[in-house]
Amino acid sequence: DIQMTQSPSSLSASVGDRVTITCRASQSISDYLNWYQQTPGKAPKLLIYAASSLQSGVPSRFSGSGSGTDFTLTIGSLQPDDFATYYCQQTSSTPYTFGQGTKLEIK
Amino acid sequence: QVQLQESGPGLVKPSQTLSLTCTVSDGSITSGGYYWSWIRQHPGKGLEYIGYIYYSGSTYYNPSLKSRVTISVDTSKNQFSLKLTSVTAADTAVYYCARDKIDQLVLGYYYYYMDVWGKGTTVTVSS
Repeated sequence: DIQMTQSPSSLSASVGDRVTITCRASQSISDYLNWYQQTPGKAPKLLIYAASSLQSGVPSRFSGSGSGTDFTLTIGSLQPDDFATYYCQQTSSTPYTFGQGTKLEIK
Repeated sequence: QVQLQESGPGLVKPSQTLSLTCTVSDGSITSGGYYWSWIRQHPGKGLEYIGYIYYSGSTYYNPSLKSRVTISVDTSKNQFSLKLTSVTAADTAVYYCARDKIDQLVLGYYYYYMDVWGKGTTVTVSS
């Protein structure tokens, strides 16, 4: 199985900050990488697919980049609704696997 | 906008079978271009991909669960279902169903991403 490792596991930031979350794959996955946002008690929500494509309806302050083994999710200017847990997911090969999550908390 | 809703018992006894159904509304499960997936999340933990089914009936199961999992589809009811046999406390989790889009972004290359999720249902395994 392809292992996905996110860093950091948790992050404190303030409204208006720019934050970056990293996801590393244990082997090359090209750009078969998705990002999801999950708030407590809710289902995950798709933000980014194919490493850098913004899902319809997702604010443009979210962006993704990377290819191969290293990927980043950037939030341009944090808003109150952005404090959540973020997961990356690889779909290069089955079983599709997720990172362990990055919890973004208010400073 | 397609919506998904999980249903099934919230409490299952050890060694029994967990059975959940996902009902698809405001869209057809036979429209093609999608896998219909199950994912679970252990309490306070990350996400685990269980498997998927295409409306034609073809399936994929995570090898870690393959011996215990069956996913089926009922196109007449616009539903798909999950069965997990011989459950233990380790199967206690929130179970989500999701629509997994099959997207040919580049000719010959297919990308997969879960663009619609159910709200999730909590299943506890306990006697």
